[in-house]
Formats: sequence, C-alpha cells, structure tokens
Amino acid sequence: EAQVTQNPRYLITVTGKKLTVTCSQNMNHEYMSWYRQDPGLGLRQIYYSMNVEVTDKGDVPEGYKVSRKEKRNFPLILESPSPNQTSLYFCASRETVTSNQPQHFGDGTRLSIL
Amino acid sequence: GNSVTQMEGPVTLSEEAFLTINCTYTATGYPSLFWYVQYPGEGLQLLLKATKADDKGSNKGFEATYRKETTSFHLEKGSVQVSDSAVYFCALLNTDKLIFGTGTRLQVFP
Repeated sequence: EAQVTQNPRYLITVTGKKLTVTCSQNMNHEYMSWYRQDPGLGLRQIYYSMNVEVTDKGDVPEGYKVSRKEKRNFPLILESPSPNQTSLYFCASRETVTSNQPQHFGDGTRLSIL
Repeated sequence: GNSVTQMEGPVTLSEEAFLTINCTYTATGYPSLFWYVQYPGEGLQLLLKATKADDKGSNKGFEATYRKETTSFHLEKGSVQVSDSAVYFCALLNTDKLIFGTGTRLQVFP
C-alpha cells in the first residue's frame, strides 16, 4: 500500500529541547515536502526536496531544518523549538517536482511546544 | 504570483442538501487544479483533479470543472451526507509548487 508515514503523531515538549519528526514514503517518489497547518492560514510549505541531497526553503522555513540522505526519508528537525512552532505538521510526497499526479500526505504530527 | 482563494467556512448543511464550495485562483501559465479533503484526525486525501481548461474532475459524487475564463474550480455535490463532514482544500500546481487555499470546513447534520 502506498504510504507516507510520520512519527510521532503527537508530541508535547518544552521550549529549546531539540526534536525530530520522521517521514518515510514507500513509493520511490523523488519529491517530498513538509507543511504546517494553522487555523485560518491553510497549509504553508516549510521545506521541500526535489531529490536525494537536494533541499530548499519553502514559505516558512525559519526555525526548521531538513535532510534528505535517502530517497525514502525526509526528517524535519526543530533544533530549538519555540511556542510559535506549535502546529499540525504534514509530510507529503509526489513522483517528481513537475508531476501533476496527486501528492500523498502523511496523517500528520501535532506538536505542542510549551 | 500564484494564489488560491476559497470561501470561508464553516458551511453548515442538512443531509441531502446541495453543496457548493467556491474556489478561485490566480496563476501564470496553465496550472493543474485539485480538491483535497481532510477528515478529522487524518491527513489530506486527493478528492478530484483537473489538469486543463474545461476538464471536469469527479469522485464520490463530488464534481468540479476547470473554468479558465472565470479562473474558478468550484466544488459541488448534489446530495451531501453526514460522512462528508470534513475540511476541503482547493489547490493548484504550477510548475513545481502546490499551493493551497485556507480550507473550508463542511458540517453536515442529519
């Protein structure tokens, strides 16, 4: 079954404590990205990756890092989380950067930073 | 630039009512258009798509037609069910970027 898997699904943590949200896809997709979803703002792209070792900033990259060492994995790293990063996060993938095939989403990770 | 504008919600309907959720877009070139649905506690799922002008996407009783002249992609369903309660996102894909609207919450009551 085609899947994008995120972990954890829920996390409550404190300001400044580094955390990583993992994302893995089993469809051999080249393109992966991270979004955050906030009320009234829809989905905003944080970072994206067009292929292994190729990453770039989205619309709201401040405070986040990513890496793409393997095709299937695209972790999101918060080096020093702050309360304004409390949000619902989604990882997504699609075949290639220009493919108009649907983008597949994970089930989301709800982060609360106290 | 590229952008998507959706009607604000929530949209509240009784079961079997007719649904329209408006979506208009601004884009250079010829984007592909999508509707995604997000059920409570889940990620986004593709509902339907259209890749060129006058295309009609349809799925699960929902339809949307790509109207280039009005730059619109309104979502419609003739008879909604309680199980259609969710948040609906209109999105466009232009070259490399998938851009979402802010989402419209639909609540259907028995």
